[in-house]
Order: sequence, then C-alpha cells, then structure tokens
Amino acid sequence: QTVVTQEPSLTVSPGGTVTLTCASNTGAVTTINYPSWFQQRPGQAPRPLIYSTSEKHSWTPARFSGSLLGGRAALTLSGVQPEDEAEYYCLLYYSGPWVFGGGTKLIVL
Amino acid sequence: QVQLVQSGAEMKTPGASVKVSCKASGYTFSTYGITWVRQAPGQGLEWMGWISGYNGYTAYAQRLQDRITLTTDTPTSTAYMELRSLRSDDTAVYYCAREIGLHYDYWGQGTLVTVSS
Repeated sequence: QTVVTQEPSLTVSPGGTVTLTCASNTGAVTTINYPSWFQQRPGQAPRPLIYSTSEKHSWTPARFSGSLLGGRAALTLSGVQPEDEAEYYCLLYYSGPWVFGGGTKLIVL
Repeated sequence: QVQLVQSGAEMKTPGASVKVSCKASGYTFSTYGITWVRQAPGQGLEWMGWISGYNGYTAYAQRLQDRITLTTDTPTSTAYMELRSLRSDDTAVYYCAREIGLHYDYWGQGTLVTVSS
C-alpha cells in the first residue's frame, strides 16, 4: 500500500519562512509523481496552490513555491502571513491512482 | 467562468448506494477529466478516482474499486460518482475537481453524505 507522509504540524512566525515536505514509502519523489499542493481552511474546499512540482496557478500568491528536496516534494512559504494558517496537503501520482498525504497543519504564531 | 456545482446532501442507511452529481459549466467538458476526492469528518483528503471527459476511461483507488463507479453525461456536462454498499465510515464530504494535464484546478463545493442507521 502506498503511503504519503507529511509533517503533522509546523509552527512559523509571521514574516518567517517554512518548508513543508511530502515523502513516499515507494522511494524518492520525482517529477513523474507530478507533486501537487493544496491549502484547506476549515469548512472550505481544498484550494490548489502548486502542480507538477513547481508550477503555480494564476491565483497562487508569489510567496508559495514548490520544489524537490532530498527525495521529497517540498512547499516553501516565504514571508508567511497570518492567513496562511491552514491545513496543507500534497498529492502524488502513481501512474494511475493518486495518493494524498496526511496533511500538515500550519500554525502561524 | 468555470464552475462545478454538486448535488445536495444525502443521508443513507448502511448497505445502500449513493450517487452524487457534479455539473460543469464555463468550459468544454470533454477536454478535461473529473476527479473525486472525499474527506471524512476531522480527517484528511482521500483520492477516490478519475474519469476522462473525453473517452470515459477511469482509474480508481484500490480500496474502493469494488464499490465505486464513475460516469459522465457529456450532453449535460455532468459527472457522477456512485458508491455502493455504504458503511458508516463512508460518511464524508465528497468533492469533484477538474483535471487536465495531471493537475487539478477548479473544485466543486462538496456534498455531505451521511451513512447512519
């Protein structure tokens, strides 16, 4: 069974920088996993932020960026804003099915 | 503008089936796929399956493939997700999302399905 793992929670100060990661139990995450990232606030639908590792949607704020880091997919927030407090999910492609990570609760404090 | 509008909340008893619809507008339906994702109360997101708007090809999550069927109706630009043999742990908000080029962009508002006796 494919398992995608994220940090359960991270805390960052306003204006700071934080990196969330996404690992696969099948091995290193690569571009062919087409990593995507989503933000979800309570009671709302997921909001896509990043796709294909590092591509941004037209609505994605510039402070969000995606990359591969040490065999994992990574989402970096630079200059964190209070409104960035939310749950973040990664999504990986496995040549047919996709698998979500368990989510990272980002606390801005 | 692109919109995905889902059908309303459903309440079902264990063992029943549910069929949720997702009506698309603002784009050419057959050019994109539709993916279904669910979220149990207080839990994370679960990818359920995908259907091509072009040819109806499907891919399903292994743990659901015996109980789920995805279909589309191109003339009405509507996608459907049917889940059979419902259990209490199928209680969740079900989302549809538009897919193209292996990424998702627009999402439906979600449909709450409650399974309870």
